Amino acid sequence: GESVGLHLPTLSVQEGDNSIINCAYSNSASDYFIWYKQESGKGPQFIIDIRSNMDKRQGQRVTVLLNKTVKHLSLQIAATQPGDSAVYFCAENRGRKNYGQNFVFGPGTRLSVLP
Amino acid sequence: DGGITQSPKYLFRKEGQNVTLSCEQNLNHDAMYWYRQDPGQGLRLIYYSQIVNDFQKGDIAEGYSVSREKKESFPLTVTSAQKNPTAFYLCASNLAGMNTEAFFGQGTRLTVV
Repeated sequence: GESVGLHLPTLSVQEGDNSIINCAYSNSASDYFIWYKQESGKGPQFIIDIRSNMDKRQGQRVTVLLNKTVKHLSLQIAATQPGDSAVYFCAENRGRKNYGQNFVFGPGTRLSVLP
Repeated sequence: DGGITQSPKYLFRKEGQNVTLSCEQNLNHDAMYWYRQDPGQGLRLIYYSQIVNDFQKGDIAEGYSVSREKKESFPLTVTSAQKNPTAFYLCASNLAGMNTEAFFGQGTRLTVV
């Protein structure tokens, strides 16, 4: 399928190495954050989430770190595999009064895993 | 299997025509969303709906319209007023209330010919 994000920042890592993808968010009142993975021509898939009352959350091979002081979010992928190649988006939930959630997505980072 | 389904996967539109993109979910989610994705950019919110028969404009609603007559369905119409409609359109849904993940469909790629 056609790629999305043709001019995205790209991170290239060697297979087996760890990857760190960074994201800056803008609203200090945002209280919920999600990392999504998007493969070419497909919809985003949920990877991991974190609430603002936490600094770190771990999943299978992935860890999300939240630094509220500098409004920074990172996704760490351990032992990166070829199947991890995709575009990764962070999303912050800014909320809208009386209307529930309002996810705002970052521009994305393309992860390329080298053999 | 529960999920969110978008159709068609590819859609071609002539200039001046309206087209409707379908989004159906069987997850019993109250909230549904439409996003637009352009190369090199993140997802931008077009419209969202928290309950049946109610919907709100997102950040780029001009040239689009929606309806929410059923909980399961949230179709998006791209009207002739949308000057640059060629894009990848994504539908999502989640449970009502705060701080729950959104599930996405596989997208519809709309091209104006």
